[in-house]
Amino acid sequence: EPEVTQTPSHQVTQMGQEVILRCVPISNHLYFYWYRQILGQKVEFLVSFYNNEISEKSEIFDDQFSVERPDGSNFTLKIRSTKLEDSAMYFCASSRLQGFGQPQHFGDGTRLSIL
Amino acid sequence: DQQVKQNSPSLSVQEGRISILNCDYTNSMFDYFLWYKKYPAEGPTFLISISSIKDKNEDGRFTVFLNKSAKHLSLHIVPSQPGDSAVYFCAASTTSGTYKYIFGTGTRLKVLA
Repeated sequence: EPEVTQTPSHQVTQMGQEVILRCVPISNHLYFYWYRQILGQKVEFLVSFYNNEISEKSEIFDDQFSVERPDGSNFTLKIRSTKLEDSAMYFCASSRLQGFGQPQHFGDGTRLSIL
Repeated sequence: DQQVKQNSPSLSVQEGRISILNCDYTNSMFDYFLWYKKYPAEGPTFLISISSIKDKNEDGRFTVFLNKSAKHLSLHIVPSQPGDSAVYFCAASTTSGTYKYIFGTGTRLKVLA
C-alpha cells in the first residue's frame, strides 16, 4: 500500500537555526498538509497546500514557516529561525481529493528537538 | 480550542469484548468525521469515517455511530484484539471551504489478552 514518507525521523537543531522537514506524499495525491503534535497535546493543523499554493494556514503558521513543493515528489516544511517551542512531532499528510471518502493519509512524522 | 473532545484518556478491555471509544464535538458545521489509530513512533493511520448524512458506518470489526443532535460519535470495535491496543483519535472537518482536520486528544486503548 502506498505510504507518505518523511525524513528525517528525528532532527535535533540549535535554537535560531533553520530546519527543513521533508515529505514524499503518495504519488497520485493532490492535496498536502502539515500538522504538528507537541508532546502530550493534540495533533494541530498547520497548513494545507494545493496546486502550488497554500490553501489555508493556522495561526501557528507564522512568517517563520514556509512550505514548498520543489519538484514533483517532495513537499517540505521550513522553519527559518527555530524556537524552543517549535519542539514537536511534525506530521505530513496527503489526500487524493478533498471531501467525503477522501481521508488524509499521514506519514510517521519527524520528531523535531530544539536545543 | 476544544471543538473536538475525547473525555476518556484511557480504556482497558478484555480480548474478545467490545471496545467503545467516544468523541464529542461542539461545532455544528462539522460534517465529516474520522477515526485514526496511532501506534508509538508511527503516524496516525486512517480507520473509518462517516459523513453527517449517515448515522452509522461499518467496516469489518469497526463501526462508527454518529448522533448529530447530541454532537457525539463513537467507535465500536468488536471483537477487540490485542493488536488493537493503540491511541485512537477522532477528527472532524467541514467539507465546505476548509478541509483541515480538528483532532481530539486521543484515547489510549489497551486490550488485555
